[in-house]
Amino acid sequence: DAKTTQPNSMESNEEEPVHLPCNHSTISGTDYIHWYRQLPSQGPEYVIHGLTSNVNNRMASLAIAEDRKSSTLILHRATLRDAAVYYCILRDGGNTPLVFGKGTRLSVIA
Amino acid sequence: AAGVIQSPRHLIKEKRETATLKCYPIPRHDTVYWYQQGPGQDPQFLISFYEKMQSDKGSIPDRFSAQQFSDYHSELNMSSLELGDSALYFCASSFKIRAGNTIYFGEGSWLTVV
Repeated sequence: DAKTTQPNSMESNEEEPVHLPCNHSTISGTDYIHWYRQLPSQGPEYVIHGLTSNVNNRMASLAIAEDRKSSTLILHRATLRDAAVYYCILRDGGNTPLVFGKGTRLSVIA
Repeated sequence: AAGVIQSPRHLIKEKRETATLKCYPIPRHDTVYWYQQGPGQDPQFLISFYEKMQSDKGSIPDRFSAQQFSDYHSELNMSSLELGDSALYFCASSFKIRAGNTIYFGEGSWLTVV
């Protein structure tokens, strides 16, 4: 599996934007970039995914570098409910399972 | 919208006993995945099924087995339980048909082995 690298932890103030980086220099052409988050004692929750172009949904935006070797998850206005572990995962689709790495623990300060 | 349903939500078993966890995928989803998450750990992939056939295999112990039934629900059977099997077990489901599909997770089943 292609590997991703994320900071162990990040901190943000409430109602400010948060940019969560992810490096994936060995990404293959068929790998989608998926972001999931996990709140304590809950199942991982889908956030967003993309292949080449930037993506937006009601939860977040995903900015993908032109060479696809890195990406950034953008939360436009962090809330206390956004405090979670965020995982950046490469997956080539079909029924390939998600393989979780270490993720970034996001803390949101009121 | 209907989500992935797991049962039971909590289970307490003694060492060397057997436990069975059940998973009901989102309607029309054809692929089921099982994950194990120990305390302070990241989710670890165990096994997956597509159209009732094993699809991928991860770090599932030999003491564990799983299957997917004709109605697409899945069961994870765990035998000769050990203290180290205490964990949160997640089931997830997806619809295979196209690349970039999304996997959705259930809320998990807490297994405590005493």
